[in-house]
Formats: sequence, C-alpha cells, structure tokens
Amino acid sequence: KAGVTQTPRYLIKTRGQQVTLSCSPISGHRSVSWYQQTPGQGLQFLFEYFSETQRNKGNFPGRFSGRQFSNSRSEMNVSTLELGDSALYLCASSLEGRVEKLFFGSGTQLSVL
Amino acid sequence: GESVGLHLPTLSVQEGDNSIINCAYSNSASDYFIWYKQESGKGPQFIIDIRSNMDKRQGQRVTVLLNKTVKHLSLQIAATQPGDSAVYFCAENSVRGQNFVFGPGTRLSVLP
Repeated sequence: KAGVTQTPRYLIKTRGQQVTLSCSPISGHRSVSWYQQTPGQGLQFLFEYFSETQRNKGNFPGRFSGRQFSNSRSEMNVSTLELGDSALYLCASSLEGRVEKLFFGSGTQLSVL
Repeated sequence: GESVGLHLPTLSVQEGDNSIINCAYSNSASDYFIWYKQESGKGPQFIIDIRSNMDKRQGQRVTVLLNKTVKHLSLQIAATQPGDSAVYFCAENSVRGQNFVFGPGTRLSVLP
C-alpha cells in the first residue's frame, strides 16, 4: 500500500506570492491533517479535513486554508506569503481522524525569500 | 537539508547500549500517546503507541512506559543501532481532543 504522498518536495517563493501544496493520503484513509514544522515552534497543527469538510482548525491566520476532494486528496494554500511561513509542511492521514495513528508524508519544504 | 529543530535536547549513546527518551505531556485528559521517529529530510514515522489504560507496551526493540500520575512518557530503545539516530517526538491526544499535540522532540545520536 502506498504511503502518504506530498508534492512538490521543495518550493521557493517570494514574499507576497501564494502557494498550493498537495497531499494524497493512504488509500482508504478519509482524514487528512496538516502540520507546520519549524525549528523554533516544532510541529504545529494547521487543520484537519474529513469527508471534504474542515473538522478542526489550529491557531493560524486566515492566509492558511485548505480543502479536501471527494477522493480524500487534500490541498493547502497559503496566500500573501511571509518570510515566517518558511517551514516544512507535513500532511498526515488516518482512517477516521479521531484518536488513532497518524501516518505522515515526507513533507513539502517551503522557503520564502 | 535538516528539517527539525537546531536546539533540541540531545541524547548521545554508544552503539549497543539502551536508550531512554523522556517526554512530559501537558494535558491530564490525554489518553492516547504515540512516539514518532523523524530522520533528516523525512516525515515522522510511527514507532509505537499506548493508551491510558496501559502503563507499558512493548514492540520490537522498543518499550513505551506511561506514568499518568506525573504525566510522563518514556521510550526505551534496546541495543541502540546507528540507524536509530533521529529526532524522536511524543504526541498526545484524547477522546475529547481535536488534534495531536507534539512535544518538542529529542535528538538521539548513536556513537560508534
């Protein structure tokens, strides 16, 4: 069974631009969560989607958004990029998204110049 | 390149020795815990989990201990190998929780 796939692997953007990251969960998994990882803050929860609906949201500004498609694939979007958005963005999937194992992808490394 | 914290607590152990990595969790209502391993350039990889109705769980070369009284979790790795070098995170959640909360991580360095 293929694992969680994230694309692209690396991205370089400039301040003010927007970016879209993609995540394909493990087959059969219906919940997709997104995390931001930085050296200073560690792993911070962004949001979680289940059955195309955002079920939970972390404490991030509205510039961070996401969506989930009917095949459970998910995208997250960051608009008006800031230097502080430079981070590793991790996607994780699970069967139902409650108190169960999360399986992570390798992440998208975003650099904002 | 390196994708995790540059100022993490570091545990250095000799190859073949046992390693113990500790984690203090914050929420007394947390009842599900996971240990993850993250190697450079990769996402966190599931190692072992434990629910609050247990205080010990064993896997292959790994054991997780849970002390709910002091809100402490530990990961023991037996006969540590060079391939165990990575950053280790604990994560907590609860049946009422909305998402996993991750600890800051510990870098394990295995010395030859």
